[in-house]
Amino acid sequence: DVKVTQSSRYLVKRTGEKVFLECVQDMDHENMFWYRQDPGLGLRLIYFSYDVKMKEKGDIPEGYSVSREKKERFSLILESASTNQTSMYLCASTNTKGAFFGQGTRLTVV
Amino acid sequence: AQKVTQAQTEISVVEKEDVTLDCVYETRDTTYYLFWYKQPPSGELVFLIRRNSFDEQNEISGRYSWNFQKSTSSFNFTITASQVVDSAVYFCAPGGGATNKLIFGTGTLLAVQP
Repeated sequence: DVKVTQSSRYLVKRTGEKVFLECVQDMDHENMFWYRQDPGLGLRLIYFSYDVKMKEKGDIPEGYSVSREKKERFSLILESASTNQTSMYLCASTNTKGAFFGQGTRLTVV
Repeated sequence: AQKVTQAQTEISVVEKEDVTLDCVYETRDTTYYLFWYKQPPSGELVFLIRRNSFDEQNEISGRYSWNFQKSTSSFNFTITASQVVDSAVYFCAPGGGATNKLIFGTGTLLAVQP
């Protein structure tokens, strides 16, 4: 079975903290993505990466950065967390068959 | 840019009814894929179906079927004889192209009542 693993299911962080969300896939996929999901807004693309050390901005990159040092790992970084970044974060890796998702990280910034 | 419209925000049906979820998309890619995903209350996104833009033949897979019409950029999804376990949010997503990037609609919440 294909597997995408996100490091935490739930996180609570304080405003201003630097936050790392980690995602690992075991399918040797080149493409990996970070989305955030908010009620009524569906899944919105934050950043994606199509190769090691390569990254592209998605639709809502402000306040976020990413890191892809190894093919299997794609990290989302909140440089200075803010309350409007409270959300569900979903990582995915893709091939032509589709996107395979992690279980999601529910981040609360207080 | 890619865009997806799922005009139905919420649908409520009674068990055993058939239900169709609508999806209209925009894409600049000449070849692409279309996907439907299900998100049950547990939160994980579950892959349901994939359709290649070259292939407009509509198919049935168990209780699921889909109607792809490239001329109108629509990719509608039908559940036959709905069950309570079908209650979930359903997302339509065009994708593929050079980066295999998927863009999701806002989703349709389906509630199947017993």
